[in-house]
Amino acid sequence: AQSVAQPEDQVNVAEGNPLTVKCTYSVSGNPYLFWYVQYPNRGLQFLLKYITGDNLVKGSYGFEAEFNKSQTSFHLKKPSALVSDSALYFCAVRARNYGGSQGNLIFGKGTKLSVKP
Amino acid sequence: KAGVTQTPRYLIKTRGQQVTLSCSPISGHRSVSWYQQTPGQGLQFLFEYFSETQRNKGNFPGRFSGRQFSNSRSEMNVSTLELGDSALYLCASSLAFGDRRRLGYEQYFGPGTRLTVT
Repeated sequence: AQSVAQPEDQVNVAEGNPLTVKCTYSVSGNPYLFWYVQYPNRGLQFLLKYITGDNLVKGSYGFEAEFNKSQTSFHLKKPSALVSDSALYFCAVRARNYGGSQGNLIFGKGTKLSVKP
Repeated sequence: KAGVTQTPRYLIKTRGQQVTLSCSPISGHRSVSWYQQTPGQGLQFLFEYFSETQRNKGNFPGRFSGRQFSNSRSEMNVSTLELGDSALYLCASSLAFGDRRRLGYEQYFGPGTRLTVT
């Protein structure tokens, strides 16, 4: 079965410090991985995705993610955190239906990022 | 382009009632998915529609149903509401469906409908 794990419920970072939000996955075949962010009382906003190619993927708002096939990880990173980055972050993997067609997103439980001034 | 829109944004219903939620996808997007978000269960997939046909279904009881119209707009219905149905219901649209070459297309989410069942 395909799954996504976010081992940390919450990550606390001081403003200006680098941040990492962890994600590991389990899929059959090549993974299609996504990061989304959710601000209070809002829907999810797409940050970035890994499909193929370079292991370091750059996305919106200065975020990037590193794909590591051997460790089955897709950690989200940012070199310098902002207070406005405080939000709920979700890692997701694309499920595959029978025959390999596009399926739904399977989400991790989410990690609450808190950036303090 | 306008984003995904969902109506209503907030809804309060009583146990046993039914409710219909609406979603308008981004112009040109033909795939619409629905998710339920609760603090305990997180984000769970309900169903996905493409070309007015349900293509995927999550593990929810038959009280949860949906449909898609020819203009790609979608509705979901929950009958005989239970307290546990209180949740944020999110709709997402995407460009493509059914093509393994397009597995990489991201989904774009609406703001959600907050349903409270009392």
